[in-house]
Amino acid sequence: AQSVTQLDSHVSVSEGTPVLLRCNYSSSYSPSLFWYVQHPNKGLQLLLKYTSAATLVKGINGFEAEFKKSETSFHLTKPSAHMSDAAEYFCVVPSSGSARQLTFGSGTQLTVLP
Amino acid sequence: DAMVIQNPRYQVTQFGKPVTLSCSQTLNHNVMYWYQQKSSQAPKLLFHYYDKDFNNEADTPDNFQSRRPNTSFCFLDIRSPGLGDAAMYLCATSRSRGGNQPQHFGDGTRLSIL
Repeated sequence: AQSVTQLDSHVSVSEGTPVLLRCNYSSSYSPSLFWYVQHPNKGLQLLLKYTSAATLVKGINGFEAEFKKSETSFHLTKPSAHMSDAAEYFCVVPSSGSARQLTFGSGTQLTVLP
Repeated sequence: DAMVIQNPRYQVTQFGKPVTLSCSQTLNHNVMYWYQQKSSQAPKLLFHYYDKDFNNEADTPDNFQSRRPNTSFCFLDIRSPGLGDAAMYLCATSRSRGGNQPQHFGDGTRLSIL
């Protein structure tokens, strides 16, 4: 079965400094992987997705993630945090063979300090 | 812009009084999902429709039901809401159930129970 582990429940950075949100996955094969962002009282927005093409995936709002099979990781990064990046971030993997069931990580709350 | 729209954004109901939440989409996607999200938790899938085919999750209470009268609309009915049903309810769509298909979320309906 596929699963994801988000290693930090809370991350706090200063505006203008780099962001690193960590996600490790468990899968018997190279899965699809997604990062979603959720701002307060909003739905989830797709940031980026990995589907076994390029290992470095660029998403919206300057975010990117690198799929590392040797480390079973899919960490989300951004070179310079903006106040508007403050939100909850979910690392997500579809269940085997279908996108019917998304397996969510527990989420990382990103705080951006002025 | 193609969208997933949920109405109302905020819903207040009384304990035991039936309530219906609605979702519409302009994406013409085949699959529509309903999630329940409680505070500081990841979304939990309740059920989904693949076209007209209804698929209930094993642990979804009988109190929750859904209708999809056409491709564009899907409803979540809570027959007798309890205090534990207070949550954010998220509707999502996807083109298909393939593993590479991301889901597109509405902004949710926040349900309060008095």
